[in-house]
Formats: sequence, C-alpha cells, structure tokens
Amino acid sequence: AQRVTQPEKLLSVFKGAPVELKCNYSYSGSPELFWYVQYSRQRLQLLLRHISRESIKGFTADLNKGETSFHLKKPFAQEEDSAMYYCALSPTGGFKTIFGAGTRLFVKA
Amino acid sequence: DGGITQSPKYLFRKEGQNVTLSCEQNLNHDAMYWYRQDPGQGLRLIYYSQIVNDFQKGDIAEGYSVSREKKESFPLTVTSAQKNPTAFYLCASSDRPPYEQYFGPGTRLTVT
Repeated sequence: AQRVTQPEKLLSVFKGAPVELKCNYSYSGSPELFWYVQYSRQRLQLLLRHISRESIKGFTADLNKGETSFHLKKPFAQEEDSAMYYCALSPTGGFKTIFGAGTRLFVKA
Repeated sequence: DGGITQSPKYLFRKEGQNVTLSCEQNLNHDAMYWYRQDPGQGLRLIYYSQIVNDFQKGDIAEGYSVSREKKESFPLTVTSAQKNPTAFYLCASSDRPPYEQYFGPGTRLTVT
C-alpha cells in the first residue's frame, strides 16, 4: 500500500540550530516526492520536489531509495521557518497524491 | 487575480442536510482535487479529477460526491451519509503530473 509516514507531530528547535524533518514512504516503484509547507494564515504551498533537486529557503531534501526516505533538512533554522510541513508522494506520471500527517516545526528565538 | 477560490470560508449545516462546497480555478489546470484536513491526520484525498467529465474516488470518498462539468469548477457535495462531516476541506489543482498542486484557502464545515 502507498503510505507516507512523518513520525514527528511536533519538532521544536532553537534559531540557528540544524533541523531535519523526517519522511518515510512505502511505494512499490519510483514515486515523485514533494514537501509542502503551510505558514500561519497562508495556503498550503509547494516547498520543493525531489525531481528538481533544488534548495528553497535553505531547505534541501534527498531521496534515499534504499531507506525509502525523503527527509527535509536545513542547516540553520530561522524563526520564519515555523510552519506545518507535509511530505507527499505521487506515482510517477500519476495524478493521485498521498500526504503524510504533517510535522509542525517551531523555531524558538 | 489568478488561482483557486473556495467558497464559503465557513459553512454551518444541520445534520441530515446535504451541502455543496465550491471550488473554482482560473489556472487552466486539467486536474483538480478535494482533500479533507483533520488534526493529526494530514490531508486525505476524497476525490480527484484528471479531466472534464471524469473523476475518481480517493481514499475516503464514502459520503461525498463530485462533478466536473467545466474545467474551472469541481464542486464537492457532502451528503448526509458522511458520518463525520465536520472538517476543513481543501481544494487543489495541478497541471500534468508530476507538477505541483496549487491549493485554495479552504472551507471549514461544521455540522451540528
């Protein structure tokens, strides 16, 4: 079965500390993987996707097919990074997207 | 102003009544989606549509119905058969996969 697991509901770090939001997936094939973010009072929006291999707002995510993981990382957290983060999976070429339960990141001053 | 609009922002209904949530997009996207967002459960897919006049059930379609008569519109009806309809509903659209989904602001439905 297709599944996305985000084991942490809440992650709290101090400003300037490294942050890693974990995402593990279950899928028999090569999926497309995404991180979406929802800032307070804003719409859910795409942060980054693995196929682009890009860094957005200092965040990166590496797809590890052996461990079926797509963890989101940032070396130095900022207060404005506080938000709800969702990992998501889509079958290659498919429309259906499966979202994880989300991790709320709180960056303390 | 381009994007996805959902109306209304808040909706209140009595138990036993059907209610329709509106979702409109002017992004010229082929695909549209409906999700339900509950605390601690993330986003769960209700229905999605790849193209006009076609739609597929998601993971929690029971008690919901949709239509896709126009490319721009994908209304969701929450029927009286939905056992726990009180939730936050999100609509999204996307171009061909694996492109990003664009989300609306959401509708909070409360059924009492």
